[in-house]
Amino acid sequence: KAGVTQTPRYLIKTRGQQVTLSCSPISGHRSVSWYQQTPGQGLQFLFEYFSETQRNKGNFPGRFSGRQFSNSRSEMNVSTLELGDSALYLCASSQPGLAEGGTQYFGPGTRLLVL
Amino acid sequence: KQEVTQIPAALSVPEGENLVLNCSFTDSAIYNLQWFRQDPGKGLTSLLLIQSSQREQTSGRLNASLDKSSGRSTLYIAASQPGDSATYLCAVEGGNTPLVFGKGTRLSVIA
Repeated sequence: KAGVTQTPRYLIKTRGQQVTLSCSPISGHRSVSWYQQTPGQGLQFLFEYFSETQRNKGNFPGRFSGRQFSNSRSEMNVSTLELGDSALYLCASSQPGLAEGGTQYFGPGTRLLVL
Repeated sequence: KQEVTQIPAALSVPEGENLVLNCSFTDSAIYNLQWFRQDPGKGLTSLLLIQSSQREQTSGRLNASLDKSSGRSTLYIAASQPGDSATYLCAVEGGNTPLVFGKGTRLSVIA
């Protein structure tokens, strides 16, 4: 079974630009969550989608948005990039209700550098 | 608001030693607790998941315990190897809340 994939793996953008990151979950998984990881703040929850609906949202400004498609693939968008948005963005998929419970499987991440 | 703390922040041990990583959380109303491993610049690998009704889980040389009432979990690594060097993260999930992570313990196993 293929794991969670994220594209692109690396991105360099300048302040004020926008960026779209993509995540393909494990086949059969309908829940996708996004996290931001920085050295100072650690891992912080951005949002979770389940069956194309946003089920939970973290404490991030409205510049951060996301969506999920009918095939469970998800995208997140960051508009008007700021230097502080430089981070590793991680996507995780899970399938609530399975025997393993809420195990979340993470992708390799997209490293975003804002100059 | 759930807060997760991991102690120590960093640990260096000689190869072959058994070790314990600690995780504490402030709100005992959790759904499950997960331990992850992260190699530098990489994503997270799930090691063990303990449901709130369970006391421990084992996988190979790893054993994780959960004491929900006291808000504590430990990850025991037996006979450590250099390949175990990584950052270990603890995370708890509430019934309708997402994973809340600790800052991690950076482990170095010296050959």
